[in-house]
Amino acid sequence: QVQLQQSGPGLVRPSQTLSLTCAIFGDRVSRDSAAWNWIRQSPSGGLEWLARANYRSKWYYDYAVSVQSRMTINTDTRRNQFTLQLNSVTPEDTAVYYCVRGGVSGSSDVWGQGTLVTVSS
Amino acid sequence: DIQMTQSPSSLSASVGDRVTITCRASQTISPYLSWYQHKPGKAPKLLIYGASTLQSGVPSRFSGSGSGTEFTLTISSLQPEDFATYFCQQSIDSPRITFGQGTRLEIK
Repeated sequence: QVQLQQSGPGLVRPSQTLSLTCAIFGDRVSRDSAAWNWIRQSPSGGLEWLARANYRSKWYYDYAVSVQSRMTINTDTRRNQFTLQLNSVTPEDTAVYYCVRGGVSGSSDVWGQGTLVTVSS
Repeated sequence: DIQMTQSPSSLSASVGDRVTITCRASQTISPYLSWYQHKPGKAPKLLIYGASTLQSGVPSRFSGSGSGTEFTLTISSLQPEDFATYFCQQSIDSPRITFGQGTRLEIK
C-alpha cells in the first residue's frame, strides 16, 4: 500500500520561504510515468493544483501559472521523496498543503495527510 | 483553466437515502473525471476515476456516470460513514487539473 508522509513547518513568516517534504513509501519517485503533485486547499475550501514532477525517462516539471514564479518542486531519488518550495509567501498562501500521487486517467489516487501552513507574523 | 461546478453545494439526507451529486465542466472532459470523499482532518480518498470506474476497495454503493460536460456521483444507500464532503476533479487538462468546489453531505 502506497503512503505519502508529509513534513514541514506549520507557521511561516510573510516574505519567507515555505518548504515541505513528501516521503514516499511503497512506490518509487523515479518509477517510469510516475507523477507527483502538490495541491493546496484554501481556508474557503477550494482546491488548487500547484505543481507536478513527472518522470518519463527524464524529469518534467510543471507549475500553475499563479505560483510558477515563486515555486520549485524537486525530487530526491536517494531519499525517495519530493519537495515543495514557495518563496515570498503572503497570508494568501495560508492553506492546507497536500502531496499527491497521480494515478490512472489523471486521477489523484494517493494523498498525504496534509499540512496546515499559516503565513503570519 | 477548465471550470468545474458542483451542485448542490450542500445536502441533507438520512441513512438509507439515495443521493446524487452533479458536476459540470466548462468544456468536454470525458472520461477524465474523478470523484473524491473528504472527511475533516483526513486525506481525500479517491472513489471513482474515468467517470465510472470504482477505485479498488470502495464500496459498490458508490457509482459514477456521465459524459461530455455533465457527470454524477450516486450513493445508492447512505451509510453513517458516508457523511463527508465530496468533490470532483477533471484531468483532461493534466497536469492542470481543477476541482469542483465540493458538496457537503450532512445528516438530516
